[in-house]
Amino acid sequence: TQLLEQSPQFLSIQEGENLTVYCNSSSVFSSLQWYRQEPGEGPVLLVTVVTGGEVKKLKRLTFQFGDARKDSSLHITAAQPGDTGLYLCAAIRGGYNKLIFGAGTRLAVHP
Amino acid sequence: DTAVSQTPKYLVTQMGNDKSIKCEQNLGHDTMYWYKQDSKKFLKIMFSYNNKELIINETVPNRFSPKSPDKAHLNLHINSLELGDSAVYFCASSPLGGSSTEAFFGQGTRLTVV
Repeated sequence: TQLLEQSPQFLSIQEGENLTVYCNSSSVFSSLQWYRQEPGEGPVLLVTVVTGGEVKKLKRLTFQFGDARKDSSLHITAAQPGDTGLYLCAAIRGGYNKLIFGAGTRLAVHP
Repeated sequence: DTAVSQTPKYLVTQMGNDKSIKCEQNLGHDTMYWYKQDSKKFLKIMFSYNNKELIINETVPNRFSPKSPDKAHLNLHINSLELGDSAVYFCASSPLGGSSTEAFFGQGTRLTVV
């Protein structure tokens, strides 16, 4: 059982559609991060959410941290082929900056 | 200038061989990591170093030995390679402190053991 459960595992949609991916846990986190990984590259940080209930926007991407700080969602409006990639949520667990990841959501946006 | 650079990018080797992967970061960060990403894309932490000292060692076989000659470098040596070691290995770095610390990743080393 993973500490961070992401859903769905795979998502294949047409350009222009909206989508939401989720990151859930039974644990409480002081913050949660979202990364995007493109093929052949390492993950790149998109956003960090810190406060329960917080909403952050990054162009067409909207990130929300659950009120209880156990879950987070990423909503993409009018998806574009450039949004294709692996979306990973991550959180610090324990001391020493131990950054753990969920299994990710693989998103494919078709023209 | 690449912030976190790993070499080589690709590594194909036979079972039983010993190989090393090198990592360097020019961000001035205190903490460096090795992660393993399997074929299902799950990214699992292996080791973490802070200022050349090992601080996280997940349940990794002792055939894997990290070494940090200084805080800007973290290398990974693997002895007696096995088929199951095939994966993409990522080096990352982050500044120490704070629960919202960002990790910067290298491009990865795709290791294939045949």
